[in-house]
Amino acid sequence: GAVVSQHPSWVICKSGTSVKIECRSLDFQATTMFWYRQFPKQSLMLMATSNEGSKATYEQGVEKDKFLINHASLTLSTLTVTSAHPEDSSFYICSARLAPGPYEQYFGPGTRLTVT
Amino acid sequence: GENVEQHPSTLSVQEGDSAVIKCTYSDSASNYFPWYKQELGKRPQLIIDIRSNVGEKKDQRIAVTLNKTAKHFSLHITETQPEDSAVYFCAASILTGGGNKLTFGTGTQLKVEL
Repeated sequence: GAVVSQHPSWVICKSGTSVKIECRSLDFQATTMFWYRQFPKQSLMLMATSNEGSKATYEQGVEKDKFLINHASLTLSTLTVTSAHPEDSSFYICSARLAPGPYEQYFGPGTRLTVT
Repeated sequence: GENVEQHPSTLSVQEGDSAVIKCTYSDSASNYFPWYKQELGKRPQLIIDIRSNVGEKKDQRIAVTLNKTAKHFSLHITETQPEDSAVYFCAASILTGGGNKLTFGTGTQLKVEL
């Protein structure tokens, strides 16, 4: 089956620093990847849609200058949280869609970010 | 944009009973409806999905029904087992040029008691 990995699985950083999270599709090419944020006991909220070779499309209310997304290849997308603050602490999950393919998205294992 | 509502938020059943979770969506253009199971701290796992050209789909103890006219879909789990305990999310998706965007429901915490 299609496998998506994320790195790191958890990270603790100090307020004001930046953190980069990687999302990789291991056995397939993904023209489209998605980044979600999930707060404790809440649903997954889509942050942005990342298309290989083009700028990401951000959802309303998500600051594109704060959450930098790069999708440089068909197997890698990165999310950089810039100038992190404690309120950015959350579970960040990426997903990837087969290219070309059906509607199913394959989710990564998530990255737990804690900003102190 | 799409809005997905999910009920109930918590559901407690006895082992062996059935569990039903219901979702409604707002955008009639939505054409794909997956259900995910998420255990604490883990990734969402697709358990079943249905496309808009089908009214019902079944996979062993799990079934999903879709009513396009009413814009609602439901997850049915029969013969529940303790390992079914988790949070379940429904989602609705519209295929766009850039890829299918999933809008998730608020989740249902299912607890299967012995």
